[in-house]
Amino acid sequence: GAVVSQHPSRVICKSGTSVKIECRSLDFQATTMFWYRQFPKKSLMLMATSNEGSKATYEQGVEKDKFLINHASLTLSTLTVTSAHPEDSSFYICSFLRDTQYFGPGTRLTVL
Amino acid sequence: DQQVKQNSPSLSVQEGRISILNCDYTNSMFDYFLWYKKYPAEGPTFLISISSIKDKNEDGRFTVFLNKSAKHLSLHIVPSQPGDSAVYFCAATMDSNYQLIWGAGTKLIIKP
Repeated sequence: GAVVSQHPSRVICKSGTSVKIECRSLDFQATTMFWYRQFPKKSLMLMATSNEGSKATYEQGVEKDKFLINHASLTLSTLTVTSAHPEDSSFYICSFLRDTQYFGPGTRLTVL
Repeated sequence: DQQVKQNSPSLSVQEGRISILNCDYTNSMFDYFLWYKKYPAEGPTFLISISSIKDKNEDGRFTVFLNKSAKHLSLHIVPSQPGDSAVYFCAATMDSNYQLIWGAGTKLIIKP
């Protein structure tokens, strides 16, 4: 149990476009979920905490207007990277909180 | 300020021997510690955890030791197997929102 999926797994886009990443818990429901970003050879960086039905709480330095989080239900959350730039290229990972955090497989975003 | 530190970026261990991964923390308010395993281009997978009221937790080949006075924890893997080759992250939390503070990770390489 406790399977989390992310879609797409890889995406390449042009600078200035927006990209939406979906995160789904497949076999459980959770109120709280997290979005992380990981740079090469770096630790996971928490971007935001989201509770279903509420606005996300963003970590310091993370632009909420650039990284739009929609926690639509207890099994689905989306992260939209708006007006993407090459520096947004990264590995984005979501997690749902149950007894512990269960992570999605991640999405590799490359902005050209 | 890095509250959770993994000072060894990488560790190489012979198959069958013991792997010891170390983690230090600075915040005495942390009350729960977790170890995650991560393969490239995948999300982290929960491995084992320990509450601050314990000093040891064992699960199969994996044992986590906590030394609160030294603010140090370690993950022991014995015997080490080739499939254990991955990046291991130490994480800590101190609140009910379960936000994790992550170490930078240690890349474990198991040599045949």
